[in-house]
Amino acid sequence: GENVEQHPSTLSVQEGDSAVIKCTYSDSASNYFPWYKQELGKRPQLIIDIRSNVGEKKDQRIAVTLNKTAKHFSLHITETQPEDSAVYFCAARRGQAGTALIFGKGTTLSVSS
Amino acid sequence: GAVVSQHPSWVICKSGTSVKIECRSLDFQATTMFWYRQFPKQSLMLMATSNEGSKATYEQGVEKDKFLINHASLTLSTLTVTSAHPEDSSFYICSAPTSLAGSYNEQFFGPGTRLTVL
Repeated sequence: GENVEQHPSTLSVQEGDSAVIKCTYSDSASNYFPWYKQELGKRPQLIIDIRSNVGEKKDQRIAVTLNKTAKHFSLHITETQPEDSAVYFCAARRGQAGTALIFGKGTTLSVSS
Repeated sequence: GAVVSQHPSWVICKSGTSVKIECRSLDFQATTMFWYRQFPKQSLMLMATSNEGSKATYEQGVEKDKFLINHASLTLSTLTVTSAHPEDSSFYICSAPTSLAGSYNEQFFGPGTRLTVL
């Protein structure tokens, strides 16, 4: 089955710096890769996603890149702010639309001012 | 956007009792829903896929007789934790994919249910 690896597990940056989180997946059939931000005790919130037919997607300070050949995708956050501090999860959809997401283990991002 | 609710938001029960958690899609129909479990400081682990009108599909290592799933309508799936024990204490989250315009079958998550078994 699908396996998603995520690195690093923790990341500390200074306000204004960039943060990069990387994930790899095992199932070449996976075709949808969302990123979620989760605050303590709350549901995951989708922050950006990318489909397998796209190499890069950007939304203001957040961008995601996908390398299908290498089976890895990355989240890039620029100009980080203290409110970006949270746990971030990458995920891969196991199969066709409507199937389950498999999550990475998460990255705790701390942005200090 | 699509809304998924869960009830209760938190529950405390005694060891050996059963607890039912409801997951509802409020403004769309969901023939499929997913149940995840999240232990403190860990990731979301897929427990099972709930299918409307048919049996749920459980992930390897998840006891189907302990975690009973019923998906009796297009908007409701229930997870019953039977004979709960302290090790079942966790954050249970459901999700449902939607084909609403522009969503590309994005999954919408419920707010989660915090279960504490004493």
